[in-house]
Amino acid sequence: DIQMTQSPSSLSASLGDRVTITCRAGQNIYRSLNWYQQKPGKAPKFLIYDASNLQIGVPSRFSGSGSGTTFTLTINSLEPEDSATYYCQQSYGMPYTFGQGTKVEI
Amino acid sequence: EVQLVESGGGLVQPGGSLRLSCSASGISVNSNYMGWVRQTPGRGLEWVSLIYSGGATYYADSVKGRFTISRDKSKNTLFLEMDSLRVEDTAMYYCTTFYWSSGAFETWGRGTLITVTS
Repeated sequence: DIQMTQSPSSLSASLGDRVTITCRAGQNIYRSLNWYQQKPGKAPKFLIYDASNLQIGVPSRFSGSGSGTTFTLTINSLEPEDSATYYCQQSYGMPYTFGQGTKVEI
Repeated sequence: EVQLVESGGGLVQPGGSLRLSCSASGISVNSNYMGWVRQTPGRGLEWVSLIYSGGATYYADSVKGRFTISRDKSKNTLFLEMDSLRVEDTAMYYCTTFYWSSGAFETWGRGTLITVTS
């Protein structure tokens, strides 16, 4: 199985800050990397696919980059509604695996 | 708008069985890739099973041979038949659509909670 490791596990930032979350894969997954946002008591929400493509309706302050084994999710100009836990997921091959999550507090 | 609504969760003893249902609106479960993902505080998000539009099914090793994914075109409903349940199957189970070209879990239901305990 491909192990996905996120860092940091949690972070605290202020409104308007730029936040970066890193996701590392245990092997080369090219650009087969997706990102999700989960708020407490809610289901995850699909944000980004293929490392850098925003899902329809996702605010442009979110961006993704990376390839191979290292990927980043960046939130520019943090908004109150961005307080959530963010997960990466590799789609290179089954079993599809997720990172352990990064909690963003504002 | 795509909506997925899970049902069938509850309390069950180890070794027991449950059937989860996922009622879909806005899409055809028979024509789309669909799946189940579960979540626990300890193990996080874990992919469980997928069914492709053509009918092929796939399972995580942890549930292979115990869980069966299926669908009913007439009811536009996805199912997860869960047998020989273990304590470690305790989780919130989410029904999802699966965006095959990117391997992403696109739309999620609200989830249904399974608790396996004696």
